Amino acid sequence: DAKTTQPPSMDCAEGRAANLPCNHSTISGNEYVYWYRQIHSQGPQYIIHGLKNNETNEMASLIITEDRKSSTLILPHATLRDTAVYYCIVMVDTGRRALTFGSGTRLQVQP
Amino acid sequence: NAGVTQTPKFRILKIGQSMTLQCTQDMNHNYMYWYRQDPGMGLKLIYYSVGAGITDKGEVPNGYNVSRSTTEDFPLRLELAAPSQTSVYFCASSYGGAGGLRKTQYFGPGTRLLVL
Repeated sequence: DAKTTQPPSMDCAEGRAANLPCNHSTISGNEYVYWYRQIHSQGPQYIIHGLKNNETNEMASLIITEDRKSSTLILPHATLRDTAVYYCIVMVDTGRRALTFGSGTRLQVQP
Repeated sequence: NAGVTQTPKFRILKIGQSMTLQCTQDMNHNYMYWYRQDPGMGLKLIYYSVGAGITDKGEVPNGYNVSRSTTEDFPLRLELAAPSQTSVYFCASSYGGAGGLRKTQYFGPGTRLLVL
């Protein structure tokens, strides 16, 4: 799995966009970029994933650079409930191995 | 959709006791997983299943057993509980199709298990 690097923590004002970066310079061609989050004491929550193209769903947008060496998760209008640890995971899409969470970015949304 | 549900939410076991952790999903997902998460640590895969009647070991299967008789249910059995099995257990499911969907996993709320 490609190594990922994320800032340990970020703050964001409520109602503003939260932009969470992730570096994955050793990503290989068949590895996807996945974003999950874990709110304290809850199960991890899938947010979005992508291979090459930018993706958007009801929760967030994922911007992947053209060389695929980095990506940004965008929460367009952050709320207090978005306070969580956000994990960028780069893996091939196989069912055999566990999702491997690194240390992630702790996002604190401020009122 | 209720998504992935797990019961019980919390349980205390004595050493040597057995129990079954229940997991049900209503999304018609093919793949189901059991993970454990120790405090401050990442997820470890215990067992997974790619469909009814098919199960396989993950990274840490010792001390656990699973079965998958239906698409919806994937119970995890602890036969002889040990203190090392104190953890939070998460069940997850995914569609299992192409396009990155196997790692698009939906998690239950977890079962907190304390073995004393």
